Amino acid sequence: DIQMTQSPSSLSASVGDRVTITCQASQDISNYLNWYQQKPGKAPKLLMYDASNLETGVPSRFSGSGSGTDFTFTISSLQPEDIATYYCQHYYNLPRTFGQGTKLEI
Amino acid sequence: QVQLQESGPGLVEPSQTLSLTCTVSGGSISRGSFYWSWIRQPAGKGLEWIGRIYASGSTNYNPSLKSRVTISVDTPKNQFSLKLSSVTAADTAVYYCARDNDWFAPWGQGTLVTVSS
Repeated sequence: DIQMTQSPSSLSASVGDRVTITCQASQDISNYLNWYQQKPGKAPKLLMYDASNLETGVPSRFSGSGSGTDFTFTISSLQPEDIATYYCQHYYNLPRTFGQGTKLEI
Repeated sequence: QVQLQESGPGLVEPSQTLSLTCTVSGGSISRGSFYWSWIRQPAGKGLEWIGRIYASGSTNYNPSLKSRVTISVDTPKNQFSLKLSSVTAADTAVYYCARDNDWFAPWGQGTLVTVSS
């Protein structure tokens, strides 16, 4: 299985901050990488697919980049509603696996 | 738009079989090139992909669960189902169904299944 390692595991930031989360794959996964946001008690929500494509309706303050084994997810200006846990997920092969999550707090 | 809803018992006894159904509304489960997946999340922990099914009935399972998992589809009812046998406390989790297009979207709201006697 491909291991997905996110860092940091938790992050405290202020409204308006630029926030960056990284995700590292245990092998080359090209750009087969997605990002999700999960708020407490809710199902995860797709934010980005193919490493850098914004899902329809997702605010443009969210962005992603990377290819191969190293990926970055960025919130350009943190908003209060962005408080959540963020997960990366690969789809290079089966089984699909997720990162352990990054809990974002204000 | 497509919506998914999980249903099934919230409490399962150890060694028994967990059975859940996902009902898809707003679109046909047979339309498009989508798989339909099950994903679970123990309390306070991360996400684990369980397996998926295509409308034709073709399945893929996570090797870590493969010996205990069966996913099936009922296209006339627009539903797909999960069976997990020989459950233990370690199978206690919120179980989600999701449309699978290599990325998971949308998701059902999730259903908590507790394994306990």
